[in-house]
Amino acid sequence: SQTIHQWPATLVQPVGSPLSLECTVEGTSNPNLYWYRQAAGRGLQLLFYSVGIGQISSEVPQNLSASRPQDRQFILSSKKLLLSDSGFYLCAWSVRDRGQGGYTFGSGTRLTVV
Amino acid sequence: LAKTTQPISMDSYEGQEVNITCSHNNIATNDYITWYQQFPSQGPRFIIQGYKTKVTNEVASLFIPADRKSSTLSLPRVSLSDTAVYYCLVGDLGTGGFKTIFGAGTRLFVKA
Repeated sequence: SQTIHQWPATLVQPVGSPLSLECTVEGTSNPNLYWYRQAAGRGLQLLFYSVGIGQISSEVPQNLSASRPQDRQFILSSKKLLLSDSGFYLCAWSVRDRGQGGYTFGSGTRLTVV
Repeated sequence: LAKTTQPISMDSYEGQEVNITCSHNNIATNDYITWYQQFPSQGPRFIIQGYKTKVTNEVASLFIPADRKSSTLSLPRVSLSDTAVYYCLVGDLGTGGFKTIFGAGTRLFVKA
């Protein structure tokens, strides 16, 4: 069965520090991968999506970047965190080239920038 | 991209049936309608998906009229543990639907 792992679960970082969140998927190949951010009490905002290794599309200009060094690995990074980067970050995957189906989300990372 | 409109919040009592309606007037031919459930500090969880008419699984039913411009998620006999945010999404993940927009969802409060 397919599983998605996301870590860490919680993170407290000072302003100006770097960030690296990792997400891996097991049990599937060639998935579409996504990073979402959710502010408190709000909906999910799509940050990045990837349809293949090294292929990253950004939806929102921001202080963050994403990379996909391997087929089932997706990394969210920042060189210098801002207070506004605080939020709940979710990684997700979906089957590529399949209209039917949905997203499978990881358990999320709660990031607090202080 | 099909935009969706849902009620911001709903209240119910244990044992009642809850129906949450979502409007998606500009749904495209290839779009599917998918509902997700999210608990606090967790990722959204897939509940049900449909294209037209009615779909039922062990958790919920999804009713889609012929024009597909709306859909209704039906939760039978809700319990306190069904208190969550419910999102309606419309899109085709196979052809760019990965830009599907998550709205604010519907906050369902189930009371004892």
